[in-house]
Amino acid sequence: GAVVSQHPSWVICKSGTSVKIECRSLDFQATTMFWYRQFPKQSLMLMATSNEGSKATYEQGVEKDKFLINHASLTLSTLTVTSAHPEDSSFYICSVRGYFGPGTRLTVL
Amino acid sequence: GDSVTQMEGPVTLSEEAFLTINCTYTATGYPSLFWYVQYPGEGLQLLLKATKADDKGSNKGFEATYRKETTSFHLEKGSVQVSDSAVYFCALGRDDKIIFGKGTRLHILP
Repeated sequence: GAVVSQHPSWVICKSGTSVKIECRSLDFQATTMFWYRQFPKQSLMLMATSNEGSKATYEQGVEKDKFLINHASLTLSTLTVTSAHPEDSSFYICSVRGYFGPGTRLTVL
Repeated sequence: GDSVTQMEGPVTLSEEAFLTINCTYTATGYPSLFWYVQYPGEGLQLLLKATKADDKGSNKGFEATYRKETTSFHLEKGSVQVSDSAVYFCALGRDDKIIFGKGTRLHILP
């Protein structure tokens, strides 16, 4: 069965709104979770490392104020895309201990 | 920093052909190496992995050997099937952080 879940599986929003994506670890407690972004027909790019109880670590070129990460418990990390714009439309995927969630497809109109 | 380079696709083969997808990596120390597969319209699945030099990962007829001397982890399968059509990602991991190659799209013709 699934080790990592994500919610929602897809979301459509208007430009300028904020969207929250949840990542849950079903089988493990995880002090660290990872967020990736995948554009169509491209590879997964690591965005940030979510750290339980402390600030997330962002990869170079990823705006921390744009992509807010909260790791509130050992089984839940959330990614909030703030003031979303069409260029933020992508497939967002989280991972825990090498297991990947099913992804969340975000479409910004 | 760590990086992964894999052969660009698309790769098109006939059913029952031999498959090789090349992958090389740049890293310090001894990261774990992975092959992931993404079938059309689906999420990422771990295909196989190797955690140390000379380890061979295998699954569903696919194999890859961790070669420290050539910093490679080439994916092979002796006889491909139409159902193997997918995108294959080579990756390396350290402390659960995984870095991906660009992916290779594989088309198998009946």
